[in-house]
Amino acid sequence: DAMVIQNPRYQVTQFGKPVTLSCSQTLNHNVMYWYQQKSSQAPKLLFHYYDKDFNNEADTPDNFQSRRPNTSFCFLDIRSPGLGDAAMYLCATSRARADTQYFGPGTRLTVL
Amino acid sequence: GENVEQHPSTLSVQEGDSAVIKCTYSDSASNYFPWYKQELGKRPQLIIDIRSNVGEKKDQRIAVTLNKTAKHFSLHITETQPEDSAVYFCAASMKGTGFQKLVFGTGTRLLVSP
Repeated sequence: DAMVIQNPRYQVTQFGKPVTLSCSQTLNHNVMYWYQQKSSQAPKLLFHYYDKDFNNEADTPDNFQSRRPNTSFCFLDIRSPGLGDAAMYLCATSRARADTQYFGPGTRLTVL
Repeated sequence: GENVEQHPSTLSVQEGDSAVIKCTYSDSASNYFPWYKQELGKRPQLIIDIRSNVGEKKDQRIAVTLNKTAKHFSLHITETQPEDSAVYFCAASMKGTGFQKLVFGTGTRLLVSP
């Protein structure tokens, strides 16, 4: 009965090699978010979709892109991962903006 | 600006004691305040939330209080247990560039010793 699913749970990539992380939801929520979290710091919002409307945070590097082909799925693309991009990437969903967010289990990204 | 301050950053208590974590926010229009618990290596999970039309909410050993005038809210955990050990994040709804979003505090690492 998982509600927010992320794949893979662990991803290892090489410096500069593109990687795609996946998130899916069974909640039929309008909003999907991608966060980056390092070492028990607060989750840092990268961007979010309200339906098909994409909203980027001002300080999100261009290296990070996202796609939402339908209500259920959202992808995070890292075009050229650097060592500083090693982190936990969390997907979350909510019915409306600034509403309760439900997090997926995260994908831990390692960059070699 | 968008800012949620959270204190303390670490909190150590003995089992059975109470723990209090405090957050302050900057946007007077904020109206939704959730608290998340994140155990090591796991996802943040909502433990309690409060909306601006109430001043306090309780759920068993957990309570949240809100003071809108002072723009601060607090998490209270009574009769703490070792399984309460985790990082706790507060959040507040704030107006971003054209829309509302949740802004998270910096987190409090709670350690409950047996």
